[in-house]
Amino acid sequence: EAGVAQSPRYKIIEKRQSVAFWCNPISGHATLYWYQQILGQGPKLLIQFQNNGVVDDSQLPKDRFSAERLKGVDSTLKIQPAKLEDSAVYLCASSLEGTQSNQPQHFGDGTRLSIL
Amino acid sequence: QKEVEQNSGPLSVPEGAIASLNCTYSDRVSQSFFWYRQYSGKSPELIMSIYSNGDKEDGRFTAQLNKASQYVSLLIRDSQPSDSATYLCAVKYIASKLTFGTGTRLQVTL
Repeated sequence: EAGVAQSPRYKIIEKRQSVAFWCNPISGHATLYWYQQILGQGPKLLIQFQNNGVVDDSQLPKDRFSAERLKGVDSTLKIQPAKLEDSAVYLCASSLEGTQSNQPQHFGDGTRLSIL
Repeated sequence: QKEVEQNSGPLSVPEGAIASLNCTYSDRVSQSFFWYRQYSGKSPELIMSIYSNGDKEDGRFTAQLNKASQYVSLLIRDSQPSDSATYLCAVKYIASKLTFGTGTRLQVTL
C-alpha cells in the first residue's frame, strides 16, 4: 500500500513570499489532515478535511493560510505571505474515517519550510 | 484546554534495558490513545494504539492505559540503539481532533 505522498520535501523562501505544498493521501482514506510541527514541539493540527469538506480549521491562520481538497483526494496548503514564524515542518496525514472514529492517522514525510 | 503532557527528556537507557515513557492527559472524555515514533528529520510513525484500560502488547512494545489516573505509558523491552528517537503521545478526544504531546526523546546507549 502506498503511503501519504507530499511534495516538495524542502522549501526555502524569503518572508512575504508565497509557498504551496501538495499532499496525496493513502488510497481510500476519506480524511486528510494538515499539521504544522515547529522544532521541539508536537504536531499541531491546522485543518482537517472529510472528503472535500472542512471539518476543523479552528487553528488555521486564515489571514495567510489557505487549503483546499477540491475533488476529495489530494490537497494543497498555501501560505501567502509567509512570516518568519512559519518556519516549520508541514505534515500531511490521512485516515480511513474522521472525527467520530478511532482510526489512526498515517503521516507523509513532510515539507520542511525555511523562511529567510 | 485539553492538553497532553510528556517529559521532554532525554531519557537515557542502556542497550537491553526497559525504557518507560509516560504521558498524562487533562480530560477524562478521551476516546483513543496513540504512540508515534519520530526519528530526527522524519515524520511520525504509528507504533501503538490503545483504546481500553489495561495493557496491550506488540512485540517489544507494551502500551498501558489507566483512564482513572489519566495516564498512558509505553514500555520498550530489550531497548536497541535503533529505538533512539522522539516518542509522541497522542490523545483523541471524543468529537475532537488528535492532540499531541511535545514528545520524549529516548537515547539508547551502547
